[in-house]
Amino acid sequence: DSGVTQTPKHLITATGQRVTLRCSPRSGDLSVYWYQQSLDQGLQFLIQYYNGEERAKGNILERFSAQQFPDLHSELNLSSLELGDSALYFCASSSGASNQPQHFGDGTRLSIL
Amino acid sequence: KNEVEQSPQNLTAQEGEFITINCSYSVGISALHWLQQHPGGGIVSLFMLSSGKKKHGRLIATINIQEKHSSLHITASHPRDSAVYICAVRDYGQNFVFGPGTRLSVLP
Repeated sequence: DSGVTQTPKHLITATGQRVTLRCSPRSGDLSVYWYQQSLDQGLQFLIQYYNGEERAKGNILERFSAQQFPDLHSELNLSSLELGDSALYFCASSSGASNQPQHFGDGTRLSIL
Repeated sequence: KNEVEQSPQNLTAQEGEFITINCSYSVGISALHWLQQHPGGGIVSLFMLSSGKKKHGRLIATINIQEKHSSLHITASHPRDSAVYICAVRDYGQNFVFGPGTRLSVLP
């Protein structure tokens, strides 16, 4: 058990809809990372938050947004969903702002119909 | 050319064999990560390296910054080591770039 909790585990929705994925980091960790893993593109880094502030941004689409709350949990919001957004979304946490080992959640599997 | 490449793409070994997975990258990096993804999809971080060598149990990871190359070694391989091993680098812009992964099957 990594100590990182992601909810929900599975999500099925339709094109055009909006969903929110939630991540609770390991106790004491200040950084949260979001990743997308699709069959055709592999793992991609989306965004990192450190202690409530955006720290680094990767290949995150404008339709996607994230935030980290004062209690350090994070939410990834995906809107105007397209078929290509179907993927596994992983959250990871680490103690520091950069170059620390990361602890991964079990992922949320998003299926767009 | 992908920024992070791994070899081999697929690897089948017999239990007990010594295994090496290679990772080459083309960008300047602040750190390199080795990840293990189990058949069920879960990801475990094995190592984070910025120089030298690290060892954890039967796993050893090395990095050569000048040659932009890292290796992951598994000694005395076991069927439970069967997984996809992924190399990821963090560039100076704080972005993570992932390799395509190496699928390892260890046969009993």
